[in-house]
Amino acid sequence: QVHLRESGPGLVKPSQTLSLICSVSGGSISSDGDFWSWIRQYPGKGLEFIGNIYNTDDPYYNPSLKSRVTISGDPSRNEFSLKMTSVTAADTAVYYCARRTLPSGSGSHYAFDSWGQGTLVTVSS
Amino acid sequence: DIQMTQSPSALSASVGDRVSITCRASQDIKTYLHWYQQRPGKAPNLLIYAASRSQSGVPSRFSGSGSGTDFTLTISGLQPEDFATYYCQQSYYNPVTFGQGSRVEVK
Repeated sequence: QVHLRESGPGLVKPSQTLSLICSVSGGSISSDGDFWSWIRQYPGKGLEFIGNIYNTDDPYYNPSLKSRVTISGDPSRNEFSLKMTSVTAADTAVYYCARRTLPSGSGSHYAFDSWGQGTLVTVSS
Repeated sequence: DIQMTQSPSALSASVGDRVSITCRASQDIKTYLHWYQQRPGKAPNLLIYAASRSQSGVPSRFSGSGSGTDFTLTISGLQPEDFATYYCQQSYYNPVTFGQGSRVEVK
């Protein structure tokens, strides 16, 4: 069973860069067929897909965040990371890392089957 | 982006009730629709994928149906641990998008 765990600062100042790491165990970020993703959940509970990488590279970013986001993978540590620049209070949220994969018999229906516990990031001076 | 609209936003029910939540997509998404359960303070948990397929380990009282733009999650015989918030998510178009959530509360 895959386990994911987010780590990083819980408080970031406005205009600075948010940096988070997701450590993966029980699976490999280099494995074919899995996308390693970042998702955030606002205090009002809405969920927003930020982006993902495939096979430690080949990132895809939500166009709404593309100019500020970088997702990269470190296969030697089996970790992937999120960097978000120029943060504002609107970026305050719980940030989750998750695996997007093909559940058994799903054809091409990728779904998020494993999630980290989430980490709250507050943007405030 | 594809808009996913869930209804109701909240509902009150009792243990043993049959509960249904609907999710409507702003465009045809075939069966690229998934359902998640989120308990307070926890991450979402995949229940149903591809509109109607149950994730391994999910109780049989959870079922999904629909295709195109209209989908339904049904809980047949609500259990105490089912009081939670449920989200739908489409994966047919990039970026993937989620519904706003439906909270199932104790009546």
